[in-house]
Amino acid sequence: AQKITQTQPGMFVQEKEAVTLDCTYDTSDPSYGLFWYKQPSSGEMIFLIYQGSYDQQNATEGRYSLNFQKARKSANLVISASQLGDSAMYFCAMREPESWGKLQFGAGTQVVVTP
Amino acid sequence: DAGVIQSPRHEVTEMGQEVTLRCKPISGHNSLFWYRQTMMRGLELLIYFNNNVPIDDSGMPEDRFSAKMPNASFSTLKIQPSEPRDSAVYFCASSNPGGRAYNEQFFGPGTRLTVL
Repeated sequence: AQKITQTQPGMFVQEKEAVTLDCTYDTSDPSYGLFWYKQPSSGEMIFLIYQGSYDQQNATEGRYSLNFQKARKSANLVISASQLGDSAMYFCAMREPESWGKLQFGAGTQVVVTP
Repeated sequence: DAGVIQSPRHEVTEMGQEVTLRCKPISGHNSLFWYRQTMMRGLELLIYFNNNVPIDDSGMPEDRFSAKMPNASFSTLKIQPSEPRDSAVYFCASSNPGGRAYNEQFFGPGTRLTVL
């Protein structure tokens, strides 16, 4: 069963604007971790941000922030002040306990930042 | 620090040939993961190791695929015989649960495999 859902296959955003990428997840375990990765056209996978299920505050890393709504099982990524270099595919992923660090990835959202 | 190293970066082969992909994880990481990425199926976990021991190989598509991790610094993914549908980008990733405690996975640059 699909555990990570990213409903936006692609989106355009104007430079300097903020963009929100949706991610919902499904798990019955109270302990889990949520990750966002960026994959530019060059192909490498770049870790962006992490949120633990027990973390009280939403995670932030520079221009990236995670809007974590536990009751809704939602972990949306917000990119503020978009830059042309933010154009990439973005993947949401989840780690469950007892999984030895195994991640399940969503299908990804393609973001294109326009001038 | 060197990241995860994969070789070759690109591989073009003919159907029926054996293909071996190589990975060197980040030193000190004790978990290693092999992924395959295609347009149709996205990012799929094939197999992962913990302390050199295969933990879950349920993602390996068929018996033509095999993976080994003879020591903490080296892993291989072998396809024999290769088929055109194996064409994909294969990523290796490593993590250290005792590091940032995030189990963040560090990905290698990937091997782009084309089977003609």
